[in-house]
Amino acid sequence: EIVLTQSPATLSLSPGERATLSCRASQSVSNYLGWYQQKPGQAPRLLIYDASNRATGIPARFSGGGSGTDFTLTISSLEPEDFAVYYCQQRGNWPLTFGGGTKVEIK
Amino acid sequence: EVQLVQSGAEVKKPGESLKISCKGSGYSFTTYWIGWARQMPGKGLEWMGMIYPGDSGDSDIRYNPSFQGQVSISADKSISTAYLQWSTLKASDTAIYYCARLKVNWGDYWGQGTLVTVSS
Repeated sequence: EIVLTQSPATLSLSPGERATLSCRASQSVSNYLGWYQQKPGQAPRLLIYDASNRATGIPARFSGGGSGTDFTLTISSLEPEDFAVYYCQQRGNWPLTFGGGTKVEIK
Repeated sequence: EVQLVQSGAEVKKPGESLKISCKGSGYSFTTYWIGWARQMPGKGLEWMGMIYPGDSGDSDIRYNPSFQGQVSISADKSISTAYLQWSTLKASDTAIYYCARLKVNWGDYWGQGTLVTVSS
């Protein structure tokens, strides 16, 4: 099973600041890495798939990069609605797995 | 509009059985995988397994080895509904369970979640 390790666990930032989240895979997943956002009491929402492709309706301030084992999600300028928990997920190997999550909180 | 609507919250006792549902609409139910994910209280997400209803014959089902034998996944194509079932619930099954439509193994549409509480 591929283990995804996200860092940091918590990111404390102010609106308007840039957020950089990391996801590291225990073995290569090629570019088969995606990112989800989850707000309290809500289902996850797909943001990025295949490392760098924005899902339908996702604002351009969200971008993804990386390949192999190291990936990043960048939010260029945090909006109030972006404070949430972010999960990475790989689809390179079965079973599909998620990282443990990064909480982006208001500083 | 693509929608996945899950059945309501359940409160059960240890040892009881349970079947929760996920009804898809607004797309061709038989041509997408449906995945089930677990979120234990205050914790992260885990994929449990997935089902491909298909246009004919039996559905294709894959289980995460961590959940194999613990749950059963099925679907009724005639009513565009997928199911997640337990034969013997444990307190550790207490969680929110989500279904999601999988597009190339990405959850592009999600149900609202079903809270399952198992307590004596």
